[in-house]
Amino acid sequence: QVQLVQSGAEVKKPGSSVRVSCKASGVTFSSYAISWVRQAPGQGLEWMGGIVPIFGTTNYAQKFQGRVTITADESTTTAYMELSSLRSEDTAVYYCAREPDPGIAVAGTYYFDCWGQGTLVTVSS
Amino acid sequence: EIVLTQSPATLSLSPGERATLSCGASQSLSSNYLAWYQQLPGLPPRVLIYDASNRATGIPDRFSGSGSGTDFTLTISRLEPEDFAVYYCQQYGSSPSFGQGTRLEIK
Repeated sequence: QVQLVQSGAEVKKPGSSVRVSCKASGVTFSSYAISWVRQAPGQGLEWMGGIVPIFGTTNYAQKFQGRVTITADESTTTAYMELSSLRSEDTAVYYCAREPDPGIAVAGTYYFDCWGQGTLVTVSS
Repeated sequence: EIVLTQSPATLSLSPGERATLSCGASQSLSSNYLAWYQQLPGLPPRVLIYDASNRATGIPDRFSGSGSGTDFTLTISRLEPEDFAVYYCQQYGSSPSFGQGTRLEIK
């Protein structure tokens, strides 16, 4: 049974950075792509980017290029998403999500079968 | 970027009725790479359908997906009380994108 457990809520100042973690259990971590998807309050879902841990390859949405960094630590089966230069519009729930095909070479090329519980990031002065 | 447009924005129906939700893509999706998700308040999305018409593991057979190219449909044959939620479509043939959602509410 795959489980993704995320770190707790964060409150950040505009201009700062935030790092959210996503620990996987119950599955071979490295072979599956992990993506990050965010949801602003009362809004829809937005894909930010992802990583295939076994290759270390990342794929970012154009909107977030240069501002988001996604990494993975195979030894702790944990993925991370760091978002910099935060602004109020970045206030959202951030989810990690797994793509269920172990043969994927690039993240963001499949659907998401397992999601973390979400991490609320609030950006406020 | 492929834009997905869902309709209607809100659908008001009663338990036992049939629900039909639509998702239109701004360009044809390769290999019908389209998924449907259900999201209940305060919870992450749950995948219902992938590759346009395949039910995900554990999803009841009252949920079905159809369509190809640019036009896709999620059908819920007989609504149960737990089906009232927000539904999103997602394409993954290109950089992933989601529709804006359809809220299914109790009439």
